[in-house]
Amino acid sequence: GDSVTQTEGLVTLTKGLPVMLNCTYQTTYSPFLFWYVQHLNEAPKLLLKSSTDNKRTEHQGFYATLHKSSSSFHLQKSSVQLSDSALYFCALDMGYKLTFGTGTSLLVDP
Amino acid sequence: NAGVIQTPRHKVTGKGQEATLWCEPISGHSAVFWYRQTIVQGLEFLTYFRNQAPIDDSGMPKERFSAQMPNQSHSTLKIQSTQPQDSAVYLCASSLDGTGTGQLYFGEGSKLTVL
Repeated sequence: GDSVTQTEGLVTLTKGLPVMLNCTYQTTYSPFLFWYVQHLNEAPKLLLKSSTDNKRTEHQGFYATLHKSSSSFHLQKSSVQLSDSALYFCALDMGYKLTFGTGTSLLVDP
Repeated sequence: NAGVIQTPRHKVTGKGQEATLWCEPISGHSAVFWYRQTIVQGLEFLTYFRNQAPIDDSGMPKERFSAQMPNQSHSTLKIQSTQPQDSAVYLCASSLDGTGTGQLYFGEGSKLTVL
């Protein structure tokens, strides 16, 4: 069945370094992928989304490219900030509902 | 505009008691979703309403969980005979048209603790 895999449970980085959070998916349909971010004690919020193969999408300094050939939609940022510490979920559209990965906690140290 | 409102923010119940969680979606949104969030499982889909009609409850544990949407301004998730494994954050979300490619707007969640 359709699924999303996020391999890292926790990523710890020093401020200013680049980050990549992995997301791969399985689906029999045309993929539409999302990244949601959840800061501590807050609601998850949409960070970015894409259904276009090999096109980079960006928002708030984060970017991701959907690669249908490798079924991936990794989230990247060139220089993380303390405020980026949060839980990041990758999600796959399944027609009307989303299937989420288990999430990756990003912890940015000073 | 107010976002999705969920009450209570925290609820503690004893094993075997009932818990009812409330959700007020964003005005004008036709789709309402309930998800359960745990550290181990992440975000799990529970149920979905569109224009108040139940469309998909495939994620709901059948025996003790039920959800309703009696009007366009609120939905409830009821858990009967709560068990410790029901402890989680229950998130309600709404979207404008429920197409799946549209943005989900989540509430801050109701944290349920079953002792």
